[in-house]
Amino acid sequence: GENVEQHPSTLSVQEGDSAVIKCTYSDSASNYFPWYKQELGKRPQLIIDIRSNVGEKKDQRIAVTLNKTAKHFSLHITETQPEDSAVYFCAATYTGGFKTIFGAGTRLFVKA
Amino acid sequence: DAGITQSPRHKVTETGTPVTLRCHQTENHRYMYWYRQDPGHGLRLIHYSYGVKDTDKGEVSDGYSVSRSKTEDFLLTLESATSSQTSVYFCAISETNPGQGRTGELFFGEGSRLTVL
Repeated sequence: GENVEQHPSTLSVQEGDSAVIKCTYSDSASNYFPWYKQELGKRPQLIIDIRSNVGEKKDQRIAVTLNKTAKHFSLHITETQPEDSAVYFCAATYTGGFKTIFGAGTRLFVKA
Repeated sequence: DAGITQSPRHKVTETGTPVTLRCHQTENHRYMYWYRQDPGHGLRLIHYSYGVKDTDKGEVSDGYSVSRSKTEDFLLTLESATSSQTSVYFCAISETNPGQGRTGELFFGEGSRLTVL
């Protein structure tokens, strides 16, 4: 079925440390994997995405890696800052791309 | 922010009453979505639309119906609200099919908080 599993559900790191969030998807036909950040009381917003023809993508302090064989993808945040504290959602597309299915989310706390 | 407006933003209703949430966009995007957000479940897709009068079910469509008679409006209806439908509802829009288009980004509205007593 259409499923995205995300771990961990909660992550606490010290400012300056790295944070890694991992996701798995179930359909080998999925080809687009976005990551969204949701600050408290706000709407989710895209922070980075990757397509299945690319193994890694970076944007300043954030990077995403994709392992198509294992159906895993991960978000890496380096040099974390207090403003990185938020809920992060991974997602994958299904059904020819029409459906974007989200993981359950990871609440990241960055301690100053 | 993309031009997406959800209404109402907050609503309290009683079990068994009908409820309609409205999503209005000014971006002329083809694709529109309704998600619900609950603790521990992330964002779950209820229904989506890929054009005027073209809609399909998502992950959790039971108890919900949708309509899209104009490009700019996507309505979500709870025919007979239940307490399990207490949630925050987000509308989202996308310019292209996320799996196929140049960009797959979803733009979310501010959310509608629904409480069913």
